[in-house]
Amino acid sequence: QSVLTQPPSASGTPGQRVTISCSGSSSNIGSNAVNWYQQLPGTAPKLLIYTNNQRPSGVPDRFSGSKSGTSASLAISGLQSEDEADYYCASWDDSLNSHIFGTGTKVTVL
Amino acid sequence: EVQLLESGGGLVQPGGSLRLSCAASGFTFSIYAMSWVRQAPGKGLEWVSTIGGNDPTTLYADSVKGRFTISRDNSKNTLYLQMSSLRAEDTAVYYCANRAGVGAAGTRYFQHWGQGTLVTVSS
Repeated sequence: QSVLTQPPSASGTPGQRVTISCSGSSSNIGSNAVNWYQQLPGTAPKLLIYTNNQRPSGVPDRFSGSKSGTSASLAISGLQSEDEADYYCASWDDSLNSHIFGTGTKVTVL
Repeated sequence: EVQLLESGGGLVQPGGSLRLSCAASGFTFSIYAMSWVRQAPGKGLEWVSTIGGNDPTTLYADSVKGRFTISRDNSKNTLYLQMSSLRAEDTAVYYCANRAGVGAAGTRYFQHWGQGTLVTVSS
């Protein structure tokens, strides 16, 4: 059972801005960095955002991350059809001494 | 180009054992901590285990502690996961990933992922 809570789904039309939330606690997001992974249908996860708001080389600047207190958010601006995927937040939990993932959010482009 | 290629998955009976391998190329394998992450069919991601780069430090999720053993052979650029006492709930695609970042565990992230290997535990 994940300790990072995400909405199960989010959607938008092409060009819109979509935001995904990730809620944790003081033992994880509150004291550690947040990372985001994108999983396109039938493929392996891919690093999208690391250390709260850093984009790896090759990730479009349409994707942005932020963190405040015990919550984090991923924003996708200028939504495109190829952004249809599952998105997972992740962090480290000091109490569990474990890497943890969020419950995942399926993004649909209408 | 970084490549991570898992192998060794398959069908195994409950209580059985299986060893997964992950062949790495395109980066300096020995300096990176490596991890296994799994995904049950239709479910989310679950971290399984991590092993240090040049140090032997290992970490395990509570769900696999005492049953799974992570190891690596830096001379072969290969990561392993020995799984024993397998249960139906271990059925999943197992991904290997390198763990990047500096400093404490709370600053680390899974940078590159393999394509995964499916493990099915069933009688």
